[in-house]
Amino acid sequence: AAGVIQSPRHLIKEKRETATLKCYPIPRHDTVYWYQQGPGQDPQFLISFYEKMQSDKGSIPDRFSAQQFSDYHSELNMSSLELGDSALYFCAIERGNTIYFGEGSWLTVV
Amino acid sequence: AQTVTQSQPEMSVQEAETVTLSCTYDTSESDYYLFWYKQPPSRQMILVIRQEAYKQQNATENRFSVNFQKAAKSFSLKISDSQLGDAAMYFCAYRRENTDKLIFGTGTRLQVFP
Repeated sequence: AAGVIQSPRHLIKEKRETATLKCYPIPRHDTVYWYQQGPGQDPQFLISFYEKMQSDKGSIPDRFSAQQFSDYHSELNMSSLELGDSALYFCAIERGNTIYFGEGSWLTVV
Repeated sequence: AQTVTQSQPEMSVQEAETVTLSCTYDTSESDYYLFWYKQPPSRQMILVIRQEAYKQQNATENRFSVNFQKAAKSFSLKISDSQLGDAAMYFCAYRRENTDKLIFGTGTRLQVFP
């Protein structure tokens, strides 16, 4: 079945460190989205890619960057981590005008 | 800008009963999609049901159905024969046709009592 694999599932980093989250659409998919869900909040759109090009940008901090690679997997890079970056990060794909989410990557910044 | 409002932070229902979760949205678009997602304690984001704005017929998926009122910009979710496994956070979401962003409401936490 089609889906989204995210890794790592859990990550603990210290303040000011860097973290990289990975997303693997299965089968490979031309459109990828990243969302951030803080504690007790609804998911917030960060950024999306279509055919390896950035297609839309939301409330993504300048400390964050993302990329979609030639094999269509995507990575979200977060630098100078802050305590407020602790959240659940979702990667998602679009299929038939519907967005389907991966299981998410938990980032804890200590 | 489009917004999605869920005015019920929490709802509860007894097992086997019916519950309705409310959602309103604001948009100037005529073509769009509306969704309900379920987020159980595992925090997975699971699609429950989808409605295309151009369709007059309300979407139905087994025990889940919607009441879509386009003129009123209302999109409520009805859960029939509630089960313990329905306990979760439910998010209403809007997506303008042919654009990327899903815009979420703030969610409604549903408790199901035996």
